[in-house]
Amino acid sequence: NAGVTQTPKFRVLKTGQSMTLLCAQDMNHEYMYWYRQDPGMGLRLIHYSVGEGTTAKGEVPDGYNVSRLKKQNFLLGLESAAPSQTSVYFCASRSLQGAGQPQHFGDGTRLSIL
Amino acid sequence: GIQVEQSPPDLILQEGANSTLRCNFSDSVNNLQWFHQNPWGQLINLFYIPSGTKQNGRLSATTVATERYSLLYISSSQTTDSGVYFCAVGFSGNTPLVFGKGTRLSVIA
Repeated sequence: NAGVTQTPKFRVLKTGQSMTLLCAQDMNHEYMYWYRQDPGMGLRLIHYSVGEGTTAKGEVPDGYNVSRLKKQNFLLGLESAAPSQTSVYFCASRSLQGAGQPQHFGDGTRLSIL
Repeated sequence: GIQVEQSPPDLILQEGANSTLRCNFSDSVNNLQWFHQNPWGQLINLFYIPSGTKQNGRLSATTVATERYSLLYISSSQTTDSGVYFCAVGFSGNTPLVFGKGTRLSVIA
């Protein structure tokens, strides 16, 4: 049981390049989230999804797009990477069943934009 | 939006000491969770505690929802407790969590 898996773990991009970060969960969770973590800022929500085919904006959505074509996968895209998007990106998932379900996090993707 | 403030921002302890971390939030919430981010960056859920008190080994947490704060207690701290502790809150079980900026704990042998 892998839990939440993020791919890749590290990536260096040049300004203007595009890329997609993949999050996969094997727990049949309905909710999935993308966060970014910057020094001294805690975790900030980029986009989230409450189910297959649905997405919603979080606190800092600009410059990112997401898709949830399959329940187990949540993709985060950067169409034209900017140095301000240098960060550590975390994906999380959670079950819809009952209150108090914990969020399970992936190990993060460290992304550097030069 | 809801505001989450954690204190202290940094804490250094000698191994074996006890500590209390605080989380204040600006609105009524129905979802409050504590997380630990270890030195390798992994985030682990510690407690779901929108109200009341829970204990898990050397860790315990108390939330006083009416006064909008939560406390995380670490007793007999160990070097493996080092890392960043985050408090996160939500209006309901189904709304996204809002994270505080964390308390960085360093436990020294």
